[in-house]
Amino acid sequence: GQQLNQSPQSMFIQEGEDVSMNCTSSSIFNTWLWYKQDPGEGPVLLIALYKAGELTSNGRLTAQFGITRKDSFLNISASIPSDVGIYFCAGDTPTFGNEKLTFGTGTRLTIIP
Amino acid sequence: DAMVIQNPRYQVTQFGKPVTLSCSQTLNHNVMYWYQQKSSQAPKLLFHYYDKDFNNEADTPDNFQSRRPNTSFCFLDIRSPGLGDAAMYLCATSRVRGMGTEAFFGQGTRLTVV
Repeated sequence: GQQLNQSPQSMFIQEGEDVSMNCTSSSIFNTWLWYKQDPGEGPVLLIALYKAGELTSNGRLTAQFGITRKDSFLNISASIPSDVGIYFCAGDTPTFGNEKLTFGTGTRLTIIP
Repeated sequence: DAMVIQNPRYQVTQFGKPVTLSCSQTLNHNVMYWYQQKSSQAPKLLFHYYDKDFNNEADTPDNFQSRRPNTSFCFLDIRSPGLGDAAMYLCATSRVRGMGTEAFFGQGTRLTVV
């Protein structure tokens, strides 16, 4: 089955630093999604990417859909305390009647005081 | 306003006692999913519905069942919960958008088995 490798597993940064994380896949996806999950809550959608090469921003967040359709990255600029959480990438290869997401392993972001 | 609502947020059940978790949506989405998430792990898909068509993941235990009586509601039934079934259960919905699918999650139900 499809596998998504997400790196790094964890990051320890200082407030104000920029953050970069990425996902790679063993197979092609039609959609890349980036989610943030706070403790005890469901994942919240941050950015959705639909086309190879697409670069999309949402405030301080920027994500790109790789040209090969097998990878994506997420950047966070000028991190703030509320950025703390776990970030998941997810990929979707919609097959009519069998649409589903595969999740990456997650990147835990911690901000050091 | 919440668009995918899960009830309850926290559920404690006894070992072997059937339990049902519920999910409702106001988005009128075609697809509803149930995921299991254990501590510090990625969500793992259990099954999903495309309208009324049920799709079970190959490695989902028989102990887990689902019902979708209408577009808005979906239920997860655990027939005989074991200690290993303690986890966060996440419901999500999506409407297929041609070449891509965005999924929106509820807040989850934290299941504890005692």
